[in-house]
Amino acid sequence: AQSVAQPEDQVNVAEGNPLTVKCTYSVSGNPYLFWYVQYPNRGLQFLLKYITGDNLVKGSYGFEAEFNKSQTSFHLKKPSALVSDSALYFCAVRRGNTGFQKLVFGTGTRLLVSP
Amino acid sequence: DTAVSQTPKYLVTQMGNDKSIKCEQNLGHDTMYWYKQDSKKFLKIMFSYNNKELIINETVPNRFSPKSPDKAHLNLHINSLELGDSAVYFCASSQGDINTEAFFGQGTRLTVV
Repeated sequence: AQSVAQPEDQVNVAEGNPLTVKCTYSVSGNPYLFWYVQYPNRGLQFLLKYITGDNLVKGSYGFEAEFNKSQTSFHLKKPSALVSDSALYFCAVRRGNTGFQKLVFGTGTRLLVSP
Repeated sequence: DTAVSQTPKYLVTQMGNDKSIKCEQNLGHDTMYWYKQDSKKFLKIMFSYNNKELIINETVPNRFSPKSPDKAHLNLHINSLELGDSAVYFCASSQGDINTEAFFGQGTRLTVV
C-alpha cells in the first residue's frame, strides 16, 4: 500500500525567505506525486505533479518540487515566500501504470509566512 | 463558473437523520471521488466512480451510499447519522485516474449534533 509522510505539522518562514515543505513517500512501483494547497474554508487546489521526466517540477504560484527517487522524497520549495502563501499543504501519491489507483494524502503541513 | 460544486456547503443535523450531499462537475471528467477530511485535516478517500461505475470503495460504513446518475454527478447519501460522521466532505473529479490531477469542490461541512 502507498503512503505519504509529511514530518512537519507547521513550517514558519519570514516573507522573502525561501521555503521548503517536506514530503516522503512509500509506494511499490513508479510513484505519481502531487502537491495541493488548501486555504481556509476552501477545497484543495492543485499545485504541481511529478509523473515522469525531469526531477524538478515547476508549478503554480512560483512553487516547485524536486523528485528524489533514492530518498523517496518530493519536497515542495519556493525561492521567496509571500504572506499569501500561508495555507495548508498536502502531498499525495498514487501508484502509476496500474490502472485505477487511489490518491493517498499526507497529513498536511501548515505553512505560516510572517511579514 | 464553478468547476466542481457541492451542495450544501454547511449541513447541521441531528443524530439518526438521513442526509444527502450533491456534487456536480462541469469539466467533462469521467472520474469522480468523495473524500472525508476529519477534524485534524486528515484526508481519506471514500469512493471513486469512473463513467458511473464504482471503482474504489474504501472501508466505509454501509450507511454511506454514493450514487452517480451520470458522469457529471456524484451524490453521497448518509443514513442514520452518527456524531463521528462530523467532518468536511470533499467531492473531486479528474479525467481518467492515473496521472491527471483531481479538481476539488469547496467541501461540505457536516455537523452531527
